[in-house]
Amino acid sequence: SQQGEEDPQALSIQEGENATMNCSYKTSINNLQWYRQNSGRGLVHLILIRSNEREKHSGRLRVTLDTSKKSSSLLITASRAADTASYFCATPMANNLFFGTGTRLTVIP
Amino acid sequence: IAGITQAPTSQILAAGRRMTLRCTQDMRHNAMYWYRQDLGLGLRLIHYSNTAGTTGKGEVPDGYSVSRANTDDFPLTLASAVPSQTSVYFCASSALPTAGEQFFGPGTRLTVL
Repeated sequence: SQQGEEDPQALSIQEGENATMNCSYKTSINNLQWYRQNSGRGLVHLILIRSNEREKHSGRLRVTLDTSKKSSSLLITASRAADTASYFCATPMANNLFFGTGTRLTVIP
Repeated sequence: IAGITQAPTSQILAAGRRMTLRCTQDMRHNAMYWYRQDLGLGLRLIHYSNTAGTTGKGEVPDGYSVSRANTDDFPLTLASAVPSQTSVYFCASSALPTAGEQFFGPGTRLTVL
């Protein structure tokens, strides 16, 4: 079973708008990671947030973590066509890194 | 090369045949992983290796085997391929097991007929 689940499954926005994706997970974690996957390519690590952090920024990315609700959100501000991709949250457990099924983001120029 | 390479890029394979997917990294990472990605199921871990000489089973190990003879290489073998193993396979590595960022290869698209 999946540890993380993203919401929504798909999101379509206009260039310049903000995109928010959510992730819920099931068990206690040490950290949560977000990855991006362009069509036909491997995953690329975006950001890692530790369980004792509530918010983290990296360029146009803002990630929040609420361990009491077992949820995280990824905000992409001022979206660009190049942000079109699938976004996955991932949570480590034992020797596994569990990925959700992803949010497919389409940014319309 | 820099990062992770995988070979082949794609392969069509008859059921029952043996196939080895290759993965090489040049970052001297201790840990390496094999995932399969299927539509609607995300990525699932097949096998992992925390350091050269050791391997472990992931979420979906049946039908697959791995070896880790050295730091750089982590081949994945399908002893007798079945159609349900049709998938996109990704190799990844990380400096430390699980806790940190993983770096992914470009993937191998495998079709078993």
